[in-house]
Amino acid sequence: AQKVTQAQTEISVVEKEDVTLDCVYETRDTTYYLFWYKQPPSGELVFLIRRNSFDEQNEISGRYSWNFQKSTSSFNFTITASQVVDSAVYFCALSGDNFNKFYFGSGTKLNVKP
Amino acid sequence: DTEVTQTPKHLVMGMTNKKSLKCEQHMGHRAMYWYKQKAKKPPELMFVYSYEKLSINESVPSRFSPECPNSSLLNLHLHALQPEDSALYLCASSQVKAGPYNEQFFGPGTRLTVL
Repeated sequence: AQKVTQAQTEISVVEKEDVTLDCVYETRDTTYYLFWYKQPPSGELVFLIRRNSFDEQNEISGRYSWNFQKSTSSFNFTITASQVVDSAVYFCALSGDNFNKFYFGSGTKLNVKP
Repeated sequence: DTEVTQTPKHLVMGMTNKKSLKCEQHMGHRAMYWYKQKAKKPPELMFVYSYEKLSINESVPSRFSPECPNSSLLNLHLHALQPEDSALYLCASSQVKAGPYNEQFFGPGTRLTVL
């Protein structure tokens, strides 16, 4: 069975603080893919990153960084020096052997206050 | 061009109406999806088309009828909907083949209200 858990329902920070969004996944597939999406109030899901199960390299893109650890089945997302524009709901997702089928976590709502 | 477009942006319909949602992409993707998203919930998969053929139907009620006329277009025909069908309907597209580029790209959604 595939499952994604985002235990943090809502997080509030003050601008310029660093914040980490947690994602824990479960899968029996040996090859799988993990994703992060951002959903601002406008509604569109914006793709942020994909990570393949065979590539445990962490990634940094500007203020965003991702920490993939197979040993703990986690794929956490850190925003450094948060900005008000980062306020959104963030979803972690997993796809496995049936790669067209995404399993989304319940989402974490991030509020960044000025 | 990494854009998926959806029309209309908003739709209000009565329970006896027939309406259609439209989705278009020009990224050369051969997989297209319909999702339903209720407030404060993650998107729920409804249908998947691969190479213009329906490959996944997540036991969606027959009052929702998908159609994929060509590789760029995806429609969702609505008939005799219920108020509980009110939601944000998202379209997405992706590569078909498994591999490192199977991320889905989403459109802005159609916000549907059923009266």
